[in-house]
Amino acid sequence: GAGVSQSPSNKVTEKGKDVELRCDPISGHTALYWYRQRLGQGLEFLIYFQGNSAPDKSGLPSDRFSAERTGESVSTLTIQRTQQEDSAVYLCASSPRTRREQYFGPGTRLTVT
Amino acid sequence: RKEVEQDPGPFNVPEGATVAFNCTYSNSASQSFFWYRQDCRKEPKLLMSVYSSGNEDGRFTAQLNRASQYISLLIRDSKLSDSATYLCVVLNTGNQFYFGTGTSLTVIP
Repeated sequence: GAGVSQSPSNKVTEKGKDVELRCDPISGHTALYWYRQRLGQGLEFLIYFQGNSAPDKSGLPSDRFSAERTGESVSTLTIQRTQQEDSAVYLCASSPRTRREQYFGPGTRLTVT
Repeated sequence: RKEVEQDPGPFNVPEGATVAFNCTYSNSASQSFFWYRQDCRKEPKLLMSVYSSGNEDGRFTAQLNRASQYISLLIRDSKLSDSATYLCVVLNTGNQFYFGTGTSLTVIP
């Protein structure tokens, strides 16, 4: 079946601009996670959605970062007033309710110039 | 202290060798444990879950020691295609996953 998809695959933006990244989870997966991975670094948790519960935003690095998810469908991660240190790959993952394994999308490579 | 710690390597081994990776975690209440592999410039992919009794999947064996808060992955008869970064992942209460920084493996012909 279809896996997690993310768009765009690559995004180059100028410092100070806003960007919106999209994630389509696997159908039926109730949990959705966003991570950031800087070059040569590990995954950094950003935010977690579980069904209609309030999201866990504890990993968002600043108030320039926000994310939305409607029900158990698509999610968007928005970064306002981008900075060069925001350059990274942003990965989305989804999980089914009954299992804990995460399935990752291919990521969005963000470059802030 | 980091939630999950791994030896970053790199591990360079010849084809056919056996190699073991270790990982420690800090939260004794951690619920679930996994190994993922990540190829260069690709997303992580689940390799296997780690169960308390230990589990095996072909050439791969995972072990969990809750008392020592330690997880291991053993790869037997290494193949060139095993070259990747192996990520130790722990799920804590609150449904937050913690990723190790990964251990790099290169299998040499």
